[in-house]
Amino acid sequence: GDSVTQMEGPVTLSEEAFLTINCTYTATGYPSLFWYVQYPGEGLQLLLKATKADDKGSNKGFEATYRKETTSFHLEKGSVQVSDSAVYFCALTANTGFQKLVFGTGTRLLVSP
Amino acid sequence: DGGITQSPKYLFRKEGQNVTLSCEQNLNHDAMYWYRQDPGQGLRLIYYSQIVNDFQKGDIAEGYSVSREKKESFPLTVTSAQKNPTAFYLCASSTPSGRAVNEQFFGPGTRLTVL
Repeated sequence: GDSVTQMEGPVTLSEEAFLTINCTYTATGYPSLFWYVQYPGEGLQLLLKATKADDKGSNKGFEATYRKETTSFHLEKGSVQVSDSAVYFCALTANTGFQKLVFGTGTRLLVSP
Repeated sequence: DGGITQSPKYLFRKEGQNVTLSCEQNLNHDAMYWYRQDPGQGLRLIYYSQIVNDFQKGDIAEGYSVSREKKESFPLTVTSAQKNPTAFYLCASSTPSGRAVNEQFFGPGTRLTVL
């Protein structure tokens, strides 16, 4: 079945450092890919998405490119802030039939001043 | 403002008791979902509903029940048959399949603790 693999955390960075959180996927067909963010004690918020190969999703300084050849959707940000501390989930959904979201296990990011 | 509300935020239950978690949305979405989140395991789908009066089991439905009598509401009952109910429960909604890629919108969650 479809699955998503994320790098284990926590990822600990200093403010203004460069961030990469790796995400790879296994899926049949051509899934859509998402990054969700969860701040402490809250629900998930959509951060960015990409619906086809080579699409780049971007939001709030975060970017991720849909790489079909490597089945990857790595999340990057050039300069992290303390307020970016959260758990980040990579997810996919099939583009046919019922669009069930399949989540990775999440990666916790801790940014220190 | 449109959104999803879940209540209560924290819920405590004694073993052997059923408990119902509320989920309401005013986004006019047809599809609604319930997920369970455990530390280090990501989110797992419990039940989903694509239209009113219809719902299907997700990956971990045992010990849970739902109803969908109104488009806006999708309550989840955690029954005494659920062996390990302590978890963070998230409700979500989306537009149905066949339209634009269905971004799911999440509520703030309910943390259930069984004492």
